Amino acid sequence: EADIYQTPRYLVIGTGKKITLECSQTMGHDKMYWYQQDPGMELHLIHYSYGVNSTEKGDLSSESTVSRIRTEHFPLTLESARPSHTSQYLCASLDETQYFGPGTRLLVL
Amino acid sequence: GENVEQHPSTLSVQEGDSAVIKCTYSDSASNYFPWYKQELGKGPQLIIDIRSNVGEKKDQRIAVTLNKTAKHFSLHITETQPEDSAVYFCAASRGGSYIPTFGRGTSLIVHP
Repeated sequence: EADIYQTPRYLVIGTGKKITLECSQTMGHDKMYWYQQDPGMELHLIHYSYGVNSTEKGDLSSESTVSRIRTEHFPLTLESARPSHTSQYLCASLDETQYFGPGTRLLVL
Repeated sequence: GENVEQHPSTLSVQEGDSAVIKCTYSDSASNYFPWYKQELGKGPQLIIDIRSNVGEKKDQRIAVTLNKTAKHFSLHITETQPEDSAVYFCAASRGGSYIPTFGRGTSLIVHP
């Protein structure tokens, strides 16, 4: 099993709050990813990183931002959460294939 | 860019039956095809993968086949069990690109 962790696992917050979703991996992988997953299952790439100080936007427009100051850490931040941000957020890292964390379920009221 | 189509979106079988999930891809340069299983409350986990220089790969009750000419690949699960119930994703990527393209997922339900 891959060593990739996400916290919190579940989060309920009010509109307008700033939140940070944490993602860490202990495998030394350079490439890391954030996906937003619909209730209908589909995975949407929102951010990715090829290494320290590298961040790129994915296919799905997102109001979130990411940073990559350390190889093992790839946090995602929402400056002002809205109900439309309610979703599941999955972090992944890549060696030959992608390894996914357990996800964060976010509910914005 | 790459486009991956996955069918069916839902598959319901009886325990002991076989299940087949099919994916097609558009980029002939794609050469790596992983399959993921996502159980409720968890992230997707790799269950099997295949590269373009191989036509078939098996791991116990799971097999994947690849037809490069037709640009499609399939996941076969034999002797299905209730614990096989999950969402399955196919993906395709090519060397030099580190952004896999995923199918939309198949919800497999195995009835006891």
